[in-house]
Amino acid sequence: AQRVTQPEKLLSVFKGAPVELKCNYSYSGSPELFWYVQYSRQRLQLLLRHISRESIKGFTADLNKGETSFHLKKPFAQEEDSAMYYCALSPYNFNKFYFGSGTKLNVKP
Amino acid sequence: DTGVSQDPRHKITKRGQNVTFRCDPISEHNRLYWYRQTLGQGPEFLTYFQNEAQLEKSRLLSDRFSAERPKGSFSTLEIQRTEQGDSAMYLCASSLPPRLAGINEQFFGPGTRLTVL
Repeated sequence: AQRVTQPEKLLSVFKGAPVELKCNYSYSGSPELFWYVQYSRQRLQLLLRHISRESIKGFTADLNKGETSFHLKKPFAQEEDSAMYYCALSPYNFNKFYFGSGTKLNVKP
Repeated sequence: DTGVSQDPRHKITKRGQNVTFRCDPISEHNRLYWYRQTLGQGPEFLTYFQNEAQLEKSRLLSDRFSAERPKGSFSTLEIQRTEQGDSAMYLCASSLPPRLAGINEQFFGPGTRLTVL
């Protein structure tokens, strides 16, 4: 069965500090991994996907199949990064998502 | 606003009452999804439609829940005989099939927050 685990409910860092939001998954096939973000009073939106291997707003995430992890990283956090972050898994090219429980990132000035 | 819309945004009801939510997807999207999100959790898949066909239902969707998408456009989610455990945010999302869109991405609505007293 598929499962997405985000071990941290809350992560607080100071502005300019590095950030790493952890995500581990279990899935028997070939999944696609995503990070979704929800800013205060806004809807859930896609931040990045592992297939694109892109950097969005300074965030990157690398899929580690050996450790079944997809951690989200940013070298220098900004206050505007404060939000809820959800890691999600989808069977390859299928469009059905399984979400983790989310990590609230709080970037302090 | 050309994004996914949901109505109402908030609903307060008494236990035992029926409620119905509406979702209007992005117009060209033929896939529509319903999720439920309880406090402290991520969204949990409930069901999805491709056009008017309901292709999958989660075990979370009890007999009191029914979803329709009669013309392949908007969708409704009805909860009969509501219980306090139904209190949650109900999210709708839409997409094109990944093979058509070229990417695997869903676009979410703002959600309907249900409170059952």
